[in-house]
Amino acid sequence: DAKTTQPNSMESNEEEPVHLPCNHSTISGTDYIHWYRQLPSQGPEYVIHGLTSNVNNRMASLAIAEDRKSSTLILHRATLRDAAVYYCILGGNNAGNMLTFGGGTRLMVKP
Amino acid sequence: ETGVTQTPRHLVMGMTNKKSLKCEQHLGHNAMYWYKQSAKKPLELMFVYNFKEQTENNSVPSRFSPECPNSSHLFLHLHTLQPEDSALYLCASSQVLSSGANVLTFGAGSRLTVL
Repeated sequence: DAKTTQPNSMESNEEEPVHLPCNHSTISGTDYIHWYRQLPSQGPEYVIHGLTSNVNNRMASLAIAEDRKSSTLILHRATLRDAAVYYCILGGNNAGNMLTFGGGTRLMVKP
Repeated sequence: ETGVTQTPRHLVMGMTNKKSLKCEQHLGHNAMYWYKQSAKKPLELMFVYNFKEQTENNSVPSRFSPECPNSSHLFLHLHTLQPEDSALYLCASSQVLSSGANVLTFGAGSRLTVL
């Protein structure tokens, strides 16, 4: 499986933008880039995914490098409720295709 | 409520007990998964079922026995567990989106403590 590398932790101030980086230099042409987050005492939840182009949804934006070897999850205005572990993972296009989670980035948001 | 329901949410069992974890989804997804999350460790994939057929067994000890009677239900049968098996067990389901990506929906997890 193609692996991802993320910083262990990051800190942000409330209501400021947050840029969470992810390196995936061994990504294959069919791998989608997924982001999930896990709030305390909950299961992971889907945030966003992309293949080649930048993506926006109501939760976040995903910026993908032109060579696809890195990506950045952007939270436009961090809130205290965004404090979580954020996972960047690569996955294919088949139902049943397993997604391998790494250690993720623990985001701390200061009031 | 995410659409994937896990029961029980908390379970304490002795090493000689037999218990089961249950997962249910009514999202119409065709694939279901069991993950294990131990303290301070990444999520570990245990089993994958696609259209009720097991497609992945990630070298899981035989004291964990999965069962998938239909696409909506997934069980994890537990017997003669060890204290190091204490962890959060997460169930997920997925369906390939129109975009082509396989996106997971997780349950809240079952917190297992083995005494």
